[in-house]
Amino acid sequence: ETGVTQTPRHLVMGMTNKKSLKCEQHLGHNAMYWYKQSAKKPLELMFVYNFKEQTENNSVPSRFSPECPNSSHLFLHLHTLQPEDSALYLCASSQRFDQETQYFGPGTRLLVL
Amino acid sequence: AQSVAQPEDQVNVAEGNPLTVKCTYSVSGNPYLFWYVQYPNRGLQFLLKYITGDNLVKGSYGFEAEFNKSQTSFHLKKPSALVSDSALYFCAVSYNNNDMRFGAGTRLTVKP
Repeated sequence: ETGVTQTPRHLVMGMTNKKSLKCEQHLGHNAMYWYKQSAKKPLELMFVYNFKEQTENNSVPSRFSPECPNSSHLFLHLHTLQPEDSALYLCASSQRFDQETQYFGPGTRLLVL
Repeated sequence: AQSVAQPEDQVNVAEGNPLTVKCTYSVSGNPYLFWYVQYPNRGLQFLLKYITGDNLVKGSYGFEAEFNKSQTSFHLKKPSALVSDSALYFCAVSYNNNDMRFGAGTRLTVKP
């Protein structure tokens, strides 16, 4: 148990659905991250929040919308996704942004039909 | 730009034998280097990191890694592999307030 939880663990959605992924960290960290993990590809950093402020948005399509209401919670809102968005979505946190060890949640396995 | 490469998609070793999982990086200056492990249906778990100091870093579960600046490498090693070490291993590099870059991962299989 790393202190980072993610819900749901599995999600199947159609291309017209709207859903949200939730991440919560119990470590008192100030930075939180969303990553996309696809088979045989490096982890793709999607978004970074540092002290609740978004600091990174690595050319992520607008059908992914992050929200960070406080330092402990991070959401990823999904709408009109494409089948190629099917992947494992990982949340992570660290004490502060950059060069710090990141602690990962178990991920949400997303399948878009 | 910083980057990291894991040249092997797959590494197979017999239980009890030493294992090495390779990682090379490309970054100017002094990087922070990390190794993470991912077991099936789990997120990544931190194993060890190099910041400065002794080039040999010891981490969790008996793993260690050696920082080699001249070869820009940070290979992960263990003297005696266990079947339970079978997992996906990721090398990562971070430098100078930039976000962490992960390699594509190496799948380690340890056979009894």
